[in-house]
Amino acid sequence: RKEVEQDPGPFNVPEGATVAFNCTYSNSASQSFFWYRQDCRKEPKLLMSVYSSGNEDGRFTAQLNRASQYISLLIRDSKLSDSATYLCVVNAVNFYNQGGKLIFGQGTELSVKP
Amino acid sequence: NAGVTQTPKFRVLKTGQSMTLLCAQDMNHEYMYWYRQDPGMGLRLIHYSVGEGTTAKGEVPDGYNVSRLKKQNFLLGLESAAPSQTSVYFCASSYSEDNQPQHFGDGTRLSIL
Repeated sequence: RKEVEQDPGPFNVPEGATVAFNCTYSNSASQSFFWYRQDCRKEPKLLMSVYSSGNEDGRFTAQLNRASQYISLLIRDSKLSDSATYLCVVNAVNFYNQGGKLIFGQGTELSVKP
Repeated sequence: NAGVTQTPKFRVLKTGQSMTLLCAQDMNHEYMYWYRQDPGMGLRLIHYSVGEGTTAKGEVPDGYNVSRLKKQNFLLGLESAAPSQTSVYFCASSYSEDNQPQHFGDGTRLSIL
């Protein structure tokens, strides 16, 4: 089982649609969760951190379910500029100091059409 | 407000040549990382550093060496480039406290012929 698994995608949606991405992680001891955005041939950029209580940033809402080891990202009112690959990211956990290492999911591609 | 800067942006090498990729960050971050990204493979950690003078192996360290002589710089070396090392390389850095995200440079596109 992969440490971080995401919906395979691609997601093709019209402008204005609501789209949800799901992600599961394997290590119940993980403490840090993030969503990154990566545009084609560009670097990953932090979209938002994910907190236990859930958090919202404009049109973006992130949820964490520790019991199910599940993270989600909801995008409302999709814009053309939201087209990108969205990476689910979890901190690496084991017995030794992980040095802030993160585990990146393979990403889910989103394409928003006019 | 440079953040994480990678040089060069693009490079073409012949098999067997050597080169060094430079990563510099101006955020006073303790931790630095080198990743490679290949189609269908996602980001894979090559080496990382938890502070000046320290380095550690990541998921795919073979064929690469690194050095962190100064806190702000993290160098990735290819001693004898191979076609399998054709990839996009990203450097990242972060603070050492818990729950910190990583900040990425804009990548180096490396082709080995």
